[in-house]
Amino acid sequence: GEDVEQSLFLSVREGDSSVINCTYTDSSSTYLYWYKQEPGAGLQLLTYIFSNMDMKQDQRLTVLLNKKDKHLSLRIADTQTGDSAIYFCAETDNQGGKLIFGQGTELSVKP
Amino acid sequence: EADIYQTPRYLVIGTGKKITLECSQTMGHDKMYWYQQDPGMELHLIHYSYGVNSTEKGDLSSESTVSRIRTEHFPLTLESARPSHTSQYLCASSKRNYGYTFGSGTRLTVV
Repeated sequence: GEDVEQSLFLSVREGDSSVINCTYTDSSSTYLYWYKQEPGAGLQLLTYIFSNMDMKQDQRLTVLLNKKDKHLSLRIADTQTGDSAIYFCAETDNQGGKLIFGQGTELSVKP
Repeated sequence: EADIYQTPRYLVIGTGKKITLECSQTMGHDKMYWYQQDPGMELHLIHYSYGVNSTEKGDLSSESTVSRIRTEHFPLTLESARPSHTSQYLCASSKRNYGYTFGSGTRLTVV
């Protein structure tokens, strides 16, 4: 079945770049997504990338997609303490479009 | 401004009580979902619906039930709550293959 894998923790210093990585299994996914979850809150859609794109940039966020390796990454430039949160990547399944989420990466930004 | 609403935000109840967690969306989305999220962060799909009078069980077995009588409303019911049901419950909705919109969640504690 479909599976999405992420590393569980990432710690960076304020002002550095953060790179959160994700691997997925379903090559037929049309869209791939990044969500952010702050403590005690629901998930917020950060950005998404269409499967025929290699890269998408939106202000401090850069998404890279390597379809051959089924690897997705989220780069956050100039990371701030407010970026501390859990980040989930997700792919669409091949039956009806349900999202398959990774386990989440907890990003800790130290001043 | 939230387009998907979950109530209550926090709930503490005794073992054996019947509870209903409410979820409503104003976006006219056909698809709605319930996830259970434990402190370990991972999201588990417990129920979903692709339209009125259509409900399906998710990947994680759950003792809860759902109903979808109206497009905008997708309540989740526990007939007899147990301490093992203590968790955060997240509701989401989507249209076609676009990303999900999540509610803020209900944090349930069963004592």
